[in-house]
Amino acid sequence: GAGVSQSPSNKVTEKGKDVELRCDPISGHTALYWYRQSLGQGLEFLIYFQGNSAPDKSGLPSDRFSAERTGGSVSTLTIQRTQQEDSAVYLCASSLGIRTGDTGQYFGPGTRLTVT
Amino acid sequence: ILNVEQSPQSLHVQEGDSTNFTCSFPSSNFYALHWYRWETAKSPEALFVMTLNGDEKKKGRISATLNTKEGYSYLYIKGSQPEDSATYLCALPIGGAGSYQLTFGKGTKLSVIP
Repeated sequence: GAGVSQSPSNKVTEKGKDVELRCDPISGHTALYWYRQSLGQGLEFLIYFQGNSAPDKSGLPSDRFSAERTGGSVSTLTIQRTQQEDSAVYLCASSLGIRTGDTGQYFGPGTRLTVT
Repeated sequence: ILNVEQSPQSLHVQEGDSTNFTCSFPSSNFYALHWYRWETAKSPEALFVMTLNGDEKKKGRISATLNTKEGYSYLYIKGSQPEDSATYLCALPIGGAGSYQLTFGKGTKLSVIP
């Protein structure tokens, strides 16, 4: 079946511009996660959605970052007024339920964001 | 803050060689450990989810062991092939049982030379 998809695969933007990154999770997966990997760093948790519950935004690095998930499916991560330190690979993942300790997460191919 | 350490950071091996690398983590409040493989230009792929001390999992030529008392897991690759070249990540749920946030190590980048 279809896996997690993300778009765009690459995005180059000028400092100060806003960007939107999109994630389509696996159908039926209620949990959706956003991560990013900056150069030389591990994967960093950003935000988590579970069903219709309020998202856990505890990993968002600043108020320039926001995310929404419409209809319990597609998610959009928005970065306003991008800065060079926002350059990273942004990964989306989904899973069947909340107990990610029991099952793995399914990742999309990522969006490589470069802020010039 | 959960500290997940992976070593070595990178590794070059010849095709056919066997290799292994390590994931270290705090042994207290352990719930589960995940191994992922991340090939360049592809999505990270789940390899194993391990929960029991002494557990050993195997998938083809790749296997993993877990020691929760001393806080480490080994990933072994037998007879490395060029297609094994990837970054191998380990991750643990931050808050133990029922937690949804994973803390990832920085990964071990494996390059298999034909």
